Amino acid sequence: EAGVVQSPRYKIIEKKQPVAFWCNPISGHNTLYWYRQNLGQGPELLIRYENEEAVDDSQLPKDRFSAERLKGVDSTLKIQPAELGDSAVYLCASSPLAGELEQFFGPGTRLTVL
Amino acid sequence: DAKTTQPTSMDCAEGRAANLPCNHSTISGNEYVYWYRQIHSQGPQYIIHGLKNNETNEMASLIITEDRKSSTLILPHATLRDTAVYYCIVRALNTGFQKLVFGTGTRLLVSP
Repeated sequence: EAGVVQSPRYKIIEKKQPVAFWCNPISGHNTLYWYRQNLGQGPELLIRYENEEAVDDSQLPKDRFSAERLKGVDSTLKIQPAELGDSAVYLCASSPLAGELEQFFGPGTRLTVL
Repeated sequence: DAKTTQPTSMDCAEGRAANLPCNHSTISGNEYVYWYRQIHSQGPQYIIHGLKNNETNEMASLIITEDRKSSTLILPHATLRDTAVYYCIVRALNTGFQKLVFGTGTRLLVSP
């Protein structure tokens, strides 16, 4: 069974540029999560989707971050414009149900903003 | 939400048991103990969880003290591939959505 797929794995951009990350969850998983992981820290939840609905985006910096999951399957996280402090690993995870604490994580996208 | 305390780092010799402690002295009766690990350049991976009984699966064993204020994750025969950051997370179930809150974890280094 394929795991959570993320692309790209690495991205280097200059500040003020836009950037997008893509995630394809495990087939059949209705719940999708985006996390951000700063160096030396654990992941922090940015947004959670139940099918195509964003049900928890309280930690998403809405002035520059946006996300979508149009057909309730794959998802895109965007930053526009990027700032130096956005350098981090962006992780996508999925789970079959909303209440599951057993989440399946992708390998992440490492973003470097210069 | 109960907070957890873990040592920053630990070392283990290959083939020996790795015992990773976690303190969660403010844990509530309906809160589970979950363990995840994160190997370098990978996303976190679920290992095991428990409420009050000891649990074992193909990856590890989880020992929870009788008062539930602490637990130990045991990797019975550590290999080099077990080198990772191990996160202990305490969270309730069946009380609405419960997000995973990761701390800084324990960095386990398994050496030959």
